[in-house]
Amino acid sequence: GAGVSQSPSNKVTEKGKDVELRCDPISGHTALYWYRQSLGQGLEFLIYFQGNSAPDKSGLPSDRFSAERTGGSVSTLTIQRTQQEDSAVYLCASSLTGAAYGYTFGSGTRLTVV
Amino acid sequence: TQLLEQSPQFLSIQEGENLTVYCNSSSVFSSLQWYRQEPGEGPVLLVTVVTGGEVKKLKRLTFQFGDARKDSSLHITAAQPGDTGLYLCAINAGNNRKLIWGLGTSLAVNP
Repeated sequence: GAGVSQSPSNKVTEKGKDVELRCDPISGHTALYWYRQSLGQGLEFLIYFQGNSAPDKSGLPSDRFSAERTGGSVSTLTIQRTQQEDSAVYLCASSLTGAAYGYTFGSGTRLTVV
Repeated sequence: TQLLEQSPQFLSIQEGENLTVYCNSSSVFSSLQWYRQEPGEGPVLLVTVVTGGEVKKLKRLTFQFGDARKDSSLHITAAQPGDTGLYLCAINAGNNRKLIWGLGTSLAVNP
């Protein structure tokens, strides 16, 4: 597609439930990133996929968080047993080859855990 | 750990004023990117600077990359309400894998 698409745009869930967030990157972009942005906080790196390489999971805050990228395209970020502190905007970005060429971000998924 | 500091954190000005925001690193970096983020949207890439001393212009926005490759500035001339947003800088530390992000400058331009 023309841009990075994320769904849903908003998600309200009860504490303890699992949620799945989806990201459709720009076609042909080999790099895909997930970030979390809380009010007044910077962009918190979560995970990075590059082609067929093993993902860089160094930013995942706990084992409740996981992500996969199928066929080198669509990615899903899963949060299990959600907690209130998981409330944030989750941003996905893709890049042609890596960091040097800049990222194209989606509009994000606003997650609220009640 | 490489730190990236942006200043000021907040800036509120009147339409027509000029402003400069800064991005400083604790060490040398290979390239720097500036992004603008509007409420409810993801950041949008404005420019990438790669050469020490480089100056790039984008309409009323002027971006400078320091000679020592440790700092950058963004100058906006005759600011307009449409310039309102969060300005983020990010650096490629050299491995072309992940960017390191500053916390941003939140700019409000009042009509």
